[in-house]
Amino acid sequence: DAGVTQSPTHLIKTRGQQVTLRCSPKSGHDTVSWYQQALGQGPQFIFQYYEEEERQRGNFPDRFSGHQFPNYSSELNVNALLLGDSALYLCASSPGGPFEQYFGPGTRLTVT
Amino acid sequence: GNSVTQMEGPVTLSEEAFLTINCTYTATGYPSLFWYVQYPGEGLQLLLKATKADDKGSNKGFEATYRKETTSFHLEKGSVQVSDSAVYFCALRNTGGFKTIFGAGTRLFVKA
Repeated sequence: DAGVTQSPTHLIKTRGQQVTLRCSPKSGHDTVSWYQQALGQGPQFIFQYYEEEERQRGNFPDRFSGHQFPNYSSELNVNALLLGDSALYLCASSPGGPFEQYFGPGTRLTVT
Repeated sequence: GNSVTQMEGPVTLSEEAFLTINCTYTATGYPSLFWYVQYPGEGLQLLLKATKADDKGSNKGFEATYRKETTSFHLEKGSVQVSDSAVYFCALRNTGGFKTIFGAGTRLFVKA
């Protein structure tokens, strides 16, 4: 049984560009959350998707948007990239409701 | 608002030493508490959890007890190994909540 998978592993972008990160949840999980982990910090909640809708959002600007597909996979989009968006982006899945989350390995985004 | 504070690292110990990583929290209601571990280059793995006061979570020799009176959830292990070297995150999630709030992490180095 594959766990949570994310792609790509690493990504380098230039300021002002747009990026899309992808996540496939663990089998049987229908809820996907995204977190941003800056270097040396704990993960910060960006938003959560359930039934293809954004269910809750953290304190992130509208430049951060997402989508969930019918197969429960999810994308995180970031527009107008800033240097400060450089971070490890983690996807976590859970089987609906407030159950424990399983994290993927993350996508390391570097903005130059 | 809800928050988690954990002791700053790095913590450097010799193999077989006793480990304590302090964690305190601020939350409304009765949150669930977690310890996650992050090995180099990897995502987060749930180490243990406790969902109500006086619960003790345990896994792989690690333990933590949910202390409501002191709003604490300290992580302990009686005898650490080199393989325990990682970053440890204390976290909480409110009852019925969808996001997990993390501390800043504590890096542990264990020397042979």
